Amino acid sequence: SQTIHQWPATLVQPVGSPLSLECTVEGTSNPNLYWYRQAAGRGLQLLFYSVGIGQISSEVPQNLSASRPQDRQFILSSKKLLLSDSGFYLCAWSTGTAYEQYFGPGTRLTVT
Amino acid sequence: QKEVEQDPGPLSVPEGAIVSLNCTYSNSAFQYFMWYRQYSRKGPELLMYTYSSGNKEDGRFTAQVDKSSKYISLFIRDSQPSDSATYLCAGVGSGYALNFGKGTSLLVTP
Repeated sequence: SQTIHQWPATLVQPVGSPLSLECTVEGTSNPNLYWYRQAAGRGLQLLFYSVGIGQISSEVPQNLSASRPQDRQFILSSKKLLLSDSGFYLCAWSTGTAYEQYFGPGTRLTVT
Repeated sequence: QKEVEQDPGPLSVPEGAIVSLNCTYSNSAFQYFMWYRQYSRKGPELLMYTYSSGNKEDGRFTAQVDKSSKYISLFIRDSQPSDSATYLCAGVGSGYALNFGKGTSLLVTP
């Protein structure tokens, strides 16, 4: 069966510091991978998706970037965090279709 | 206007009640519709998805889509306290981005 991992689970970072969140998927090959953010009082918003190694599509302009160095690894990064980057970051995977996405446990980021 | 609208609740029902959760959407390009359940501080869990208009049943859960009125529903029969969570609806067209509502908070009281 497939499993998706995210770490860290929680993170408190000062404004201006860098960020690296990691997501890995087990039990499947060549998955589509997604990064979402869920901010307080707002719905889930897609930030990036990837259909293959090195292929990243950005859905919204922001202070964040994503990379996919390996087939089942997806990384979310920032060089300098803003207060507005606080939120619950969720990684998801799917096979060839987009409508069956499975989410990881999430990383709760607080920027102070 | 947000593409998917959902009443945030909270919705409180007694154990054993039938629960009706609803969403409306505005994007006619949506073809698939999903329901997710999210417990506090956890990632969303996919409950079920439907294609176009119609009904789909899975155990105590029934999803219903009416594309003519752009209305999405989830019915939960014989609700249990363990069903207490936030329920998120979403739609997707030909792209990769799921468009989520903000979620409805459900509380099932024993």
